[in-house]
Amino acid sequence: KNEVEQSPQNLTAQEGEFITINCSYSVGISALHWLQQHPGGGIVSLFMLSSGKKKHGRLIATINIQEKHSSLHITASHPRDSAVYICAVRPNTGNQFYFGTGTSLTVIP
Amino acid sequence: NAGVMQNPRHLVRRRGQEARLRCSPMKGHSHVYWYRQLPEEGLKFMVYLQKENIIDESGMPKERFSAEFPKEGPSILRIQQVVRGDSAAYFCASSPARGFGNEQFFGPGTRLTVL
Repeated sequence: KNEVEQSPQNLTAQEGEFITINCSYSVGISALHWLQQHPGGGIVSLFMLSSGKKKHGRLIATINIQEKHSSLHITASHPRDSAVYICAVRPNTGNQFYFGTGTSLTVIP
Repeated sequence: NAGVMQNPRHLVRRRGQEARLRCSPMKGHSHVYWYRQLPEEGLKFMVYLQKENIIDESGMPKERFSAEFPKEGPSILRIQQVVRGDSAAYFCASSPARGFGNEQFFGPGTRLTVL
């Protein structure tokens, strides 16, 4: 069983749609990260959060520590948002991150 | 302030050869993490290093893989006698410290292909 589960695995949306990607985890954490990876490309950290909500441009990330759940929202989606979005958690103990398998998003013009 | 740098970006090796992957952390960062992304799989932790010390190598295969982060120069991930199953993208990340609140910054990755 993975420590981090993401849903959906694949998502196709029309340009302009509101998008939600979900992440559930099973361990106690000190931080949760949302990462973005373009095909064949590197990894960009979008958010790091431990409580509440963060917003950056059209991206919003929320976390509920009690429910061990986080969501990444994209408002007014655009084709350039097409990428794989990865949820990663840093447990309270240990040095490593646990990663979800990613959500592959395709935004169609 | 340059980001995390990795080289080479692409590396092709034949079975049995050695692969050396380099990671230069962001300026001021003394913590380096290596991750492997196998085709169609998620990222997996391999090893966590500070300058001259391996802190956690619980994700490293027991044989053929080694990592170092010398006092001077980049961190090196070394794979000896590569096999086809080593073909993957290898990412490193750096942070200024380990504690909570320290974000990791990822490099562009090295894509290793073993023929």
